[in-house]
Amino acid sequence: GENVEQHPSTLSVQEGDSAVIKCTYSDSASNYFPWYKQELGKRPQLIIDIRSNVGEKKDQRIAVTLNKTAKHFSLHITETQPEDSAVYFCAASTHNQGGKLIFGQGTELSVKP
Amino acid sequence: SQTIHQWPATLVQPVGSPLSLECTVEGTSNPNLYWYRQAAGRGLQLLFYSVGIGQISSEVPQNLSASRPQDRQFILSSKKLLLSDSGFYLCASTGPATNYGYTFGSGTRLTVV
Repeated sequence: GENVEQHPSTLSVQEGDSAVIKCTYSDSASNYFPWYKQELGKRPQLIIDIRSNVGEKKDQRIAVTLNKTAKHFSLHITETQPEDSAVYFCAASTHNQGGKLIFGQGTELSVKP
Repeated sequence: SQTIHQWPATLVQPVGSPLSLECTVEGTSNPNLYWYRQAAGRGLQLLFYSVGIGQISSEVPQNLSASRPQDRQFILSSKKLLLSDSGFYLCASTGPATNYGYTFGSGTRLTVV
């Protein structure tokens, strides 16, 4: 089955700097890659996603890139703000197997003012 | 858009007691439904998923079970809880088309004592 590895597990940056979180996946059939942000004690919230027919997608300060050949994808946050501090999860799924998402282990991002 | 109702929000149960967590979905029909467990605020582990009434796929062998008695109702159960069952349980839905971002319920924080 699918396995998703996420790095780093913790990331600390200064306000205004960029943050990059990387994930690799094992199943070459995976074709959907969302990213979630989870604040303490709350449910994960979808922040951006990308499908396998696209190499990059941007939404304001957030961007995701996908390299299907290498089976890895990354989240880029520019001009970080203290409110970006949270745990971020990547995930991967295929359209079969009920569309189940397999998550990475998470990255705890801390943005210091 | 979909809305997931999940209850209770918190639960403290003794070892050996039964468990029943319920999740209902509004705003869509024939959703794919999922139960995840999150320990220590990290790593969402997929427990069960369902693509239709009475159709349950188990991802992890354990003393938990799931049922889907109605199209938009998903229940997580246990006959006898273990200490290791403690965690944050999240219900999620997507669909009816697969391969889209999940909508998560607000979660149930279960503590087994």
